[in-house]
Amino acid sequence: EVQLVESGGGLVQPGGSLRLSCAASGFTFRGYWMNWVRQAPGKGLVWVSRINSDGSSTTYADSVKGRFTISRDDAKNTLFLQMSSLRAEDTAVYYCAVAGSGGYWGQGTLVTVSS
Amino acid sequence: QAVVTQEPSLTVSPGGTVTLTCGSSTGAVTSGHYPYWFQQKPGQAPRTLIYDTSNKHSWTPARFSGSLLGGKAALTLSGAQPEDDAEYYCLLSYSGTRVFGGGTKLTVL
Repeated sequence: EVQLVESGGGLVQPGGSLRLSCAASGFTFRGYWMNWVRQAPGKGLVWVSRINSDGSSTTYADSVKGRFTISRDDAKNTLFLQMSSLRAEDTAVYYCAVAGSGGYWGQGTLVTVSS
Repeated sequence: QAVVTQEPSLTVSPGGTVTLTCGSSTGAVTSGHYPYWFQQKPGQAPRTLIYDTSNKHSWTPARFSGSLLGGKAALTLSGAQPEDDAEYYCLLSYSGTRVFGGGTKLTVL
């Protein structure tokens, strides 16, 4: 059974940092590009970042560029999102998703940025 | 950054056919934008229906199909079912970055 399980979310103060993880199982993780997508409460989906299959190429939405870093550990089948200089507008459920023919999504982890 | 546009809402009768579209502020949508379509129901994570314009996943119902139509990406639902009542999002690629549309609330009524 394919599973993507996000973790690491929580309440953080503005300016703080958080590291999200996405543990993958049930498929060949290292073969796929991966994305982070977020959704603020009651709002639509927003693409955040993507990483290619070997981790050599990453891209970011303008809104998080310079503050967020995507990475992966294929030995542990895990995707990461390091978030720093967090702002109130970063408050959202963060999903990891497999790109292309993978198509799988996790259930998300909630990040709340508030004082 | 490019803006991706979708119809805010559409209604379809059970058994009917409806086409949702996905346009780009930069011009015509092509296969080079690798259009994706996602379905999301309240309280649930999104589900990928279509990738790379028209490719389906094993879980994608046969009544859904993706195409390019009139300079836009299109998602056609033929034979709507009550369970298709949901929000639908498209995603386009732009030289490495990706942009979601604002979503279409599809009502099956």
